[in-house]
Formats: sequence, structure tokens, C-alpha cells
Amino acid sequence: NAGVTQTPKFQVLKTGQSMTLQCAQDMNHEYMSWYRQDPGMGLRLIHYSVGAGITDQGEVPNGYNVSRSTTEDFPLRLLSAAPSQTSVYFCASSYGRLAYEQYFGPGTRLTVT
Amino acid sequence: DAKTTQPNSMESNEEEPVHLPCNHSTISGTDYIHWYRQLPSQGPEYVIHGLTSNVNNRMASLAIAEDRKSSTLILHRATLRDAAVYYCILIPGAGNMLTFGGGTRLMVKP
Repeated sequence: NAGVTQTPKFQVLKTGQSMTLQCAQDMNHEYMSWYRQDPGMGLRLIHYSVGAGITDQGEVPNGYNVSRSTTEDFPLRLLSAAPSQTSVYFCASSYGRLAYEQYFGPGTRLTVT
Repeated sequence: DAKTTQPNSMESNEEEPVHLPCNHSTISGTDYIHWYRQLPSQGPEYVIHGLTSNVNNRMASLAIAEDRKSSTLILHRATLRDAAVYYCILIPGAGNMLTFGGGTRLMVKP
């Protein structure tokens, strides 16, 4: 199993540009989520999904969109990038929410200038 | 959502046990206690979780207070590879997924 994969590893955007961060998992996990981590801080939840076709907002959803058309993929779209979105983005997946471990991807480091 | 409180940093000597405390005085009966750690420049890694009883796995032990208002992650013999930020997280019975606090930065001295 490849686990949770994220692409790209690094990205530089100009203010106002849009882009999609890709996340895929091959473990048949129902639950997937996106987090951002600012320097020296803990992770904050952006959006999550409990299964294909179902998504919900986390703690910091503004400026981001998600969709879940398949079990495997959970892309995160930045609609109009802002410098405040400069961060490291992590995708995670798990079998369930309460009593299951989350598997995290290696992260995407995004810089918005 | 219930919050957790952890010391900002702790130090340990290599091959000695480490006890990482976490306070969660507002925990509710259905909240699960999870611990993750994050090595430099990596994504978080699951360590252990529990609800009411103490738990052991190959990485660590989790001791949960009887009133569930605090817990302690125990690394039985710290190694240099255990140097990381350790996060204690509560997962509510309903609602959002994981919410990370600031964590404890563990430094291990040779």
C-alpha cells in the first residue's frame, strides 16, 4: 500500500491564483480530512469527509473547497490564494472517526506571494 | 469542544522513561483521547488512543485518570528518534474530527 499520497510537495502561488492540492489513499478508508499547519503551531482542521459524496466544514474552511466523488480521492481547492494561506497542508484518512488511527500524508508546503 | 492542556516542552535522557501529561478537565463521557507525534518536517504519526481504560501498544502506554480529566503518555525507554512534538487530542462523540492543540516538544539527550 502507498498509504496517503499528496501532490505537489511544494507550490508557490501568486495572490489571486487558484489551485488544487491532491490527496489520495489506497486503504479504502471512509474518513478523509484536510489540515493546515502554520509555523510553530498545531494542525487546524479545514474540511473533512465521512464518505464519498459527503463533506463538512472544519475549524478554518474559508477560502477552501472540497469534494469527494470517490472513496480514494479528496482534493482541496484554493479558490483565490491569499498570503494568509501560506502554510503546510496535510491530508489524512482513517477507517472511522472515534477509535481509529488517522494516517497522514507527507504534506504540501504552499507559499503565496 | 473540550480542550487539552500540555506543557510546552519536556526533556528526557536517552533510555529513561518519559511521562508526558495532558489535562482535559472538560472532557465528556464520549470523548476519545488520542495521542499523535510529529517529527520535524513530517506529518503527524498515530501513537495510541483510549476511552476509559489504560492502553498499551508497541510504541507507548496510555494511563487515563479515573475521572478522565487527565491522561499520561508513557514512553518506556526514550530514544533519540522519539524527539518530536507530542499532541494530546480529544475526539468528540459527535462533530468534528481531530483538533490539535500546541503539543509538547520532547527533547531527548544522549
